[in-house]
Amino acid sequence: EAQVTQNPRYLITVTGKKLTVTCSQNMNHEYMSWYRQDPGLGLRQIYYSMNVEVTDKGDVPEGYKVSRKEKRNFPLILESPSPNQTSLYFCASSQGASPLHFGNGTRLTVT
Amino acid sequence: SQQGEEDPQALSIQEGENATMNCSYKTSINNLQWYRQNSGRGLVHLILIRSNEREKHSGRLRVTLDTSKKSSSLLITASRAADTASYFCATDRKPHKFYFGSGTKLNVKP
Repeated sequence: EAQVTQNPRYLITVTGKKLTVTCSQNMNHEYMSWYRQDPGLGLRQIYYSMNVEVTDKGDVPEGYKVSRKEKRNFPLILESPSPNQTSLYFCASSQGASPLHFGNGTRLTVT
Repeated sequence: SQQGEEDPQALSIQEGENATMNCSYKTSINNLQWYRQNSGRGLVHLILIRSNEREKHSGRLRVTLDTSKKSSSLLITASRAADTASYFCATDRKPHKFYFGSGTKLNVKP
Protein backbone atom coordinates (compact mmCIF):
# COMPACT_ATOMS: atom_id res chain seq x y z
CA GLU A 1 0.00 0.00 0.00
CA ALA A 2 1.33 3.43 -0.99
CA GLN A 3 1.81 5.48 2.13
CA VAL A 4 3.69 8.10 4.07
CA THR A 5 4.54 6.92 7.57
CA GLN A 6 5.32 9.28 10.42
CA ASN A 7 6.48 8.37 13.87
CA PRO A 8 5.67 8.90 16.60
CA ARG A 9 1.99 9.75 16.43
CA TYR A 10 2.10 11.60 19.75
CA LEU A 11 5.11 13.09 21.53
CA ILE A 12 5.36 15.01 24.79
CA THR A 13 8.74 16.46 25.67
CA VAL A 14 10.38 19.21 27.68
CA THR A 15 12.02 22.40 26.52
CA GLY A 16 15.51 21.88 25.17
CA LYS A 17 15.45 18.11 24.78
CA LYS A 18 16.42 17.23 21.21
CA LEU A 19 13.93 15.14 19.29
CA THR A 20 13.47 13.65 15.85
CA VAL A 21 10.23 12.92 14.04
CA THR A 22 10.68 10.35 11.32
CA CYS A 23 8.98 10.27 7.94
CA SER A 24 9.21 7.52 5.37
CA GLN A 25 7.47 7.03 2.03
CA ASN A 26 7.30 3.89 -0.11
CA MET A 27 6.32 5.49 -3.42
CA ASN A 28 9.82 6.44 -4.64
CA HIS A 29 8.76 10.10 -4.61
CA GLU A 30 11.44 12.69 -5.21
CA TYR A 31 9.72 15.51 -3.34
CA MET A 32 9.11 15.48 0.41
CA SER A 33 8.12 18.22 2.80
CA TRP A 34 7.18 19.05 6.37
CA TYR A 35 4.28 21.20 7.52
CA ARG A 36 2.99 22.36 10.85
CA GLN A 37 -0.68 22.97 11.49
CA ASP A 38 -1.87 25.43 14.09
CA PRO A 39 -5.45 26.54 14.80
CA GLY A 40 -6.48 29.43 12.57
CA LEU A 41 -3.21 29.36 10.63
CA GLY A 42 -3.70 26.42 8.34
CA LEU A 43 -0.67 24.43 7.24
CA ARG A 44 2.64 26.19 6.99
CA GLN A 45 5.61 24.69 5.19
CA ILE A 46 8.72 24.16 7.32
CA TYR A 47 11.20 22.56 4.93
CA TYR A 48 11.06 20.69 1.67
CA SER A 49 13.36 18.47 -0.34
CA MET A 50 13.45 18.06 -4.10
CA ASN A 51 15.67 14.98 -3.97
CA VAL A 52 18.44 13.27 -2.01
CA GLU A 53 20.79 15.82 -0.43
CA VAL A 54 18.67 18.73 -1.75
CA THR A 55 16.69 20.61 0.90
CA ASP A 56 15.30 24.12 1.13
CA LYS A 57 13.54 26.31 3.65
CA GLY A 58 9.82 26.78 3.64
CA ASP A 59 7.99 29.61 5.36
CA VAL A 60 8.69 28.73 8.99
CA PRO A 61 12.09 26.96 9.18
CA GLU A 62 13.39 28.56 12.39
CA GLY A 63 14.14 26.00 15.09
CA TYR A 64 14.00 23.02 12.74
CA LYS A 65 16.50 20.96 10.78
CA VAL A 66 16.00 18.28 8.15
CA SER A 67 18.14 15.86 6.24
CA ARG A 68 17.60 13.77 3.11
CA LYS A 69 20.25 11.08 2.97
CA GLU A 70 17.96 8.53 1.35
CA LYS A 71 15.10 9.04 -1.05
CA ARG A 72 12.49 7.40 1.19
CA ASN A 73 13.30 9.18 4.49
CA PHE A 74 13.00 12.80 5.51
CA PRO A 75 13.36 13.25 9.29
CA LEU A 76 12.47 16.48 11.07
CA ILE A 77 14.87 17.43 13.84
CA LEU A 78 14.21 19.85 16.68
CA GLU A 79 17.59 20.50 18.28
CA SER A 80 16.21 22.51 21.21
CA PRO A 81 12.42 22.41 21.24
CA SER A 82 10.49 25.29 22.73
CA PRO A 83 6.81 25.57 23.74
CA ASN A 84 5.99 27.58 20.60
CA GLN A 85 6.81 24.47 18.59
CA THR A 86 3.86 22.67 20.14
CA SER A 87 1.85 21.81 17.06
CA LEU A 88 0.53 19.13 14.74
CA TYR A 89 3.17 18.15 12.19
CA PHE A 90 2.64 16.55 8.80
CA CYS A 91 5.05 15.01 6.36
CA ALA A 92 4.06 14.83 2.69
CA SER A 93 5.52 13.51 -0.53
CA SER A 94 4.81 13.78 -4.23
CA GLN A 95 6.29 13.06 -7.62
CA GLY A 96 6.48 15.76 -10.25
CA ALA A 97 3.28 17.78 -10.33
CA SER A 98 1.20 15.06 -8.71
CA PRO A 99 -0.80 15.82 -5.56
CA LEU A 100 0.71 15.58 -2.13
CA HIS A 101 0.40 12.38 -0.11
CA PHE A 102 0.27 13.13 3.60
CA GLY A 103 1.22 11.12 6.65
CA ASN A 104 -1.19 10.85 9.57
CA GLY A 105 0.51 13.50 11.61
CA THR A 106 2.57 13.85 14.77
CA ARG A 107 1.08 15.78 17.65
CA LEU A 108 3.96 17.37 19.55
CA THR A 109 3.65 19.01 22.96
CA VAL A 110 6.65 20.86 24.39
CA THR A 111 6.33 21.81 28.05
CA SER B 1 2.74 34.46 4.31
CA GLN B 2 -0.44 32.63 3.52
CA GLN B 3 -1.55 32.43 -0.05
CA GLY B 4 -4.95 30.76 0.07
CA GLU B 5 -7.80 31.76 2.31
CA GLU B 6 -11.03 29.79 2.56
CA ASP B 7 -14.45 31.20 3.19
CA PRO B 8 -16.54 30.56 5.19
CA GLN B 9 -14.51 29.37 8.17
CA ALA B 10 -17.35 27.08 9.19
CA LEU B 11 -20.42 25.75 7.43
CA SER B 12 -23.25 23.67 8.82
CA ILE B 13 -25.83 22.11 6.49
CA GLN B 14 -28.36 19.28 6.38
CA GLU B 15 -27.65 16.03 4.63
CA GLY B 16 -28.71 16.25 1.01
CA GLU B 17 -27.98 19.97 0.66
CA ASN B 18 -25.13 21.36 -1.40
CA ALA B 19 -22.05 22.82 0.26
CA THR B 20 -20.03 25.60 -1.34
CA MET B 21 -16.64 26.71 -0.11
CA ASN B 22 -14.53 29.49 -1.55
CA CYS B 23 -10.82 30.09 -1.73
CA SER B 24 -9.05 33.34 -2.54
CA TYR B 25 -5.36 33.77 -3.22
CA LYS B 26 -3.01 36.66 -3.77
CA THR B 27 -0.58 35.99 -6.61
CA SER B 28 -0.50 34.05 -9.85
CA ILE B 29 -0.45 30.28 -9.53
CA ASN B 30 0.35 27.15 -11.52
CA ASN B 31 -2.28 24.91 -9.95
CA LEU B 32 -4.87 25.00 -7.23
CA GLN B 33 -5.73 21.91 -5.24
CA TRP B 34 -8.41 21.04 -2.73
CA TYR B 35 -7.76 18.71 0.19
CA ARG B 36 -9.93 17.21 2.87
CA GLN B 37 -8.94 16.56 6.48
CA ASN B 38 -10.83 14.40 8.94
CA SER B 39 -10.41 15.46 12.56
CA GLY B 40 -6.64 16.02 12.89
CA ARG B 41 -5.68 13.27 10.47
CA GLY B 42 -3.59 13.67 7.33
CA LEU B 43 -4.93 15.62 4.41
CA VAL B 44 -6.35 13.71 1.48
CA HIS B 45 -6.23 15.10 -2.02
CA LEU B 46 -9.60 15.73 -3.68
CA ILE B 47 -9.04 17.55 -6.94
CA LEU B 48 -6.46 19.61 -8.81
CA ILE B 49 -7.31 22.36 -11.27
CA ARG B 50 -4.67 23.94 -13.47
CA SER B 51 -4.41 27.66 -14.02
CA ASN B 52 -5.63 27.30 -17.63
CA GLU B 53 -8.75 25.36 -16.59
CA ARG B 54 -12.01 26.96 -15.49
CA GLU B 55 -14.00 24.04 -14.15
CA LYS B 56 -13.43 20.45 -13.14
CA HIS B 57 -15.66 17.67 -11.87
CA SER B 58 -15.00 14.56 -9.84
CA GLY B 59 -18.00 12.59 -8.66
CA ARG B 60 -20.05 14.90 -6.41
CA LEU B 61 -17.31 17.54 -6.45
CA ARG B 62 -17.21 20.52 -8.74
CA VAL B 63 -14.35 23.00 -8.67
CA THR B 64 -14.20 26.31 -10.48
CA LEU B 65 -11.26 28.62 -10.92
CA ASP B 66 -11.37 32.30 -11.81
CA THR B 67 -7.81 33.51 -12.27
CA SER B 68 -8.94 37.08 -12.96
CA LYS B 69 -10.51 37.23 -9.50
CA LYS B 70 -7.87 34.95 -7.97
CA SER B 71 -10.53 32.72 -6.52
CA SER B 72 -11.79 29.17 -6.60
CA SER B 73 -14.86 27.41 -5.29
CA LEU B 74 -15.52 23.84 -4.25
CA LEU B 75 -19.08 22.57 -4.51
CA ILE B 76 -20.10 19.31 -2.88
CA THR B 77 -23.49 18.24 -4.14
CA ALA B 78 -26.00 16.11 -2.24
CA SER B 79 -23.85 16.15 0.89
CA ARG B 80 -23.65 13.23 3.27
CA ALA B 81 -22.81 13.03 6.96
CA ALA B 82 -19.53 11.38 5.91
CA ASP B 83 -18.53 14.62 4.15
CA THR B 84 -18.10 16.23 7.58
CA ALA B 85 -14.47 17.37 7.59
CA SER B 86 -12.25 20.39 7.08
CA TYR B 87 -11.51 21.43 3.51
CA PHE B 88 -8.39 23.27 2.42
CA CYS B 89 -7.27 24.88 -0.78
CA ALA B 90 -3.59 24.84 -1.68
CA THR B 91 -1.83 26.94 -4.28
CA ASP B 92 1.65 26.66 -5.71
CA ARG B 93 3.05 30.02 -6.62
CA LYS B 94 6.20 28.24 -7.69
CA PRO B 95 6.97 24.52 -7.97
CA HIS B 96 6.82 22.69 -4.65
CA LYS B 97 6.11 25.80 -2.63
CA PHE B 98 2.58 25.00 -1.52
CA TYR B 99 0.45 27.46 0.42
CA PHE B 100 -2.56 26.27 2.36
CA GLY B 101 -5.42 28.30 3.69
CA SER B 102 -6.81 27.92 7.20
CA GLY B 103 -9.66 25.78 5.94
CA THR B 104 -13.44 25.55 5.99
CA LYS B 105 -14.92 23.29 8.64
CA LEU B 106 -17.96 21.56 7.17
CA ASN B 107 -20.55 19.88 9.37
CA VAL B 108 -23.22 17.84 7.60
CA LYS B 109 -26.10 17.01 9.92
CA PRO B 110 -27.89 13.72 9.33
